[in-house]
Amino acid sequence: SAVISQKPSRDICQRGTSLTIQCQVDSQVTMMFWYRQQPGQSLTLIATANQGSEATYESGFVIDKFPISRPNLTFSTLTVSNMSPEDSSIYLCSVATGAQEAFFGQGTRLTVV
Amino acid sequence: SQQGEEDPQALSIQEGENATMNCSYKTSINNLQWYRQNSGRGLVHLILIRSNEREKHSGRLRVTLDTSKKSSSLLITASRAADTASYFCATVPGNQFYFGTGTSLTVIP
Repeated sequence: SAVISQKPSRDICQRGTSLTIQCQVDSQVTMMFWYRQQPGQSLTLIATANQGSEATYESGFVIDKFPISRPNLTFSTLTVSNMSPEDSSIYLCSVATGAQEAFFGQGTRLTVV
Repeated sequence: SQQGEEDPQALSIQEGENATMNCSYKTSINNLQWYRQNSGRGLVHLILIRSNEREKHSGRLRVTLDTSKKSSSLLITASRAADTASYFCATVPGNQFYFGTGTSLTVIP
């Protein structure tokens, strides 16, 4: 199993600003993912964070808007850039070793005003 | 989109009854998994079924998989109020996890 610490747990931000979300795992993991979950909706995969190389983004998500870092096997950040109210959502960090089971942080609840 | 679809979107049952939710997906998969999410929290893994399996049990959970129809079902037997949550299927075509639209289950005491 893996324990994930995600910070901040929530934030209220002004439009046009950026927020960086941190994800720390208690063990080395091969796969790290970032998801967005809008209220009452499912999880949408934003990108796979790759250690030592650029993240792999899903269709509809771009690096300029959601830059991701992954400097090692236990840590990653997601930045939500130039925010607008449409970016208000829950952002979730997830990890997996292989394709067996995904573990999730408690999420970051972002409100953009 | 690689996201699966689940039905029903919402389900309300009495405690002790069984709850069944279905998941349909579009891609080939290595495995399919079910997760639970309590309000405002992260997801918790419930059960995994591999593409070469047809049925799997874990406690009060029973999962079926029909790869020819690209569908799966999750049955929760003898439901409890504590089972109230949202349930998501996740398809794993490679190493990425794609979640379905979810079923919101309410179990009435």
